[in-house]
Amino acid sequence: KNEVEQSPQNLTAQEGEFITINCSYSVGISALHWLQQHPGGGIVSLFMLSSGKKKHGRLIATINIQEKHSSLHITASHPRDSAVYICAVLLGAGGTSYGKLTFGQGTILTVHP
Amino acid sequence: GAGVSQSPRYKVAKRGQDVALRCDPISGHVSLFWYQQALGQGPEFLTYFQNEAQLDKSGLPSDRFFAERPEGSVSTLKIQRTQQEDSAVYLCASSLQGSEQFFGPGTRLTVL
Repeated sequence: KNEVEQSPQNLTAQEGEFITINCSYSVGISALHWLQQHPGGGIVSLFMLSSGKKKHGRLIATINIQEKHSSLHITASHPRDSAVYICAVLLGAGGTSYGKLTFGQGTILTVHP
Repeated sequence: GAGVSQSPRYKVAKRGQDVALRCDPISGHVSLFWYQQALGQGPEFLTYFQNEAQLDKSGLPSDRFFAERPEGSVSTLKIQRTQQEDSAVYLCASSLQGSEQFFGPGTRLTVL
């Protein structure tokens, strides 16, 4: 079983829909990243969070440390949001402290006009 | 530079060839990471440098993989005697120690 699991693996939406991508992890962490990867492109960090909730534009990320779960929400989705969204965790106490990331397998999001 | 750069962006190698992939991190970033991303998968950790010291190479899949960062800035990932299973995107990321990582565009390696 992977230490970081994402769901769904594939997600198709119509423009304007509210989207949720989930991430569950089985290890103690110090922080969690949400990353975006466009086809043929590099990876862009969207959020790094260790508790609570963060918002940037139409993107919202939440984390529940006790339940070892995080969600990424996209409000009013747009075709330009189409990308792979990846959850990655930084191991916490007992793990490395320098920033080694463990990644989920990614969620492929396609938003149709 | 403005961000992390990697070269080449694409590399096609014949099985058995040696390849060298370059990463230019953001100036001043102490930490440098190499990741391997197979098609349809999330990235997986290969190795980590703090300045010129390679502190963790636990993710290197075999002794054919070698990484260096001799002056604590530019890093090279070398793969000897490439195999088809080495085909992947190789990502480099840099950060100030313990902070957000900034990723390069990756090098897509195809081994024929």
